[in-house]
Amino acid sequence: EAGVAQSPRYKIIEKRQSVAFWCNPISGHATLYWYQQILGQGPKLLIQFQNNGVVDDSQLPKDRFSAERLKGVDSTLKIQPAKLEDSAVYLCASSLEFSGATYEQYFGPGTRLTVT
Amino acid sequence: DQQVKQNSPSLSVQEGRISILNCDYTNSMFDYFLWYKKYPAEGPTFLISISSIKDKNEDGRFTVFLNKSAKHLSLHIVPSQPGDSAVYFCAANGNNAGNMLTFGGGTRLMVKP
Repeated sequence: EAGVAQSPRYKIIEKRQSVAFWCNPISGHATLYWYQQILGQGPKLLIQFQNNGVVDDSQLPKDRFSAERLKGVDSTLKIQPAKLEDSAVYLCASSLEFSGATYEQYFGPGTRLTVT
Repeated sequence: DQQVKQNSPSLSVQEGRISILNCDYTNSMFDYFLWYKKYPAEGPTFLISISSIKDKNEDGRFTVFLNKSAKHLSLHIVPSQPGDSAVYFCAANGNNAGNMLTFGGGTRLMVKP
């Protein structure tokens, strides 16, 4: 079974530039998550999708971050414009459809973003 | 406001001995807890979990203990192996939280041969 795929693996941009990350979840997983992991901290949930609908985006800085999951499969996370404090690893995870029980989340390798 | 805390940023253990990683939480609505393991340049991988209706769950060398009254859980690894060297994250979920996980800051475990 193929795991969660993410690209690119590394990205270096200057502040005020834009960047986009791509995620392909495990086949059949209806729920998709984007996390931000700042160095030395645990992952922090940015947004959760169930199929192509948003379940929770309360921690997504909507003035600069956006995410979409067209057709309920792949997803993209965009930052525009980037700030220095956005330097982090962006992790995508997926799980089976949530139905009242906690399902294990499977993580991709992440995209390491450096904003200079 | 950190709802899940791992107060030890690092732990060093000799091969063959027991590793004990600790985690504290503040939100009494959390009812499911997970441990994830992370190697450098890889995403976290699920290790073991426990529901709040239990106080212990065991899987091979890994055992998780939950003390609900103290809002504390721990992961025991026995015996520890060099391949266990990684960062371990504790995570928690509340049943009304749509499978959203709240993670602790992680503990880096180093197992010396």
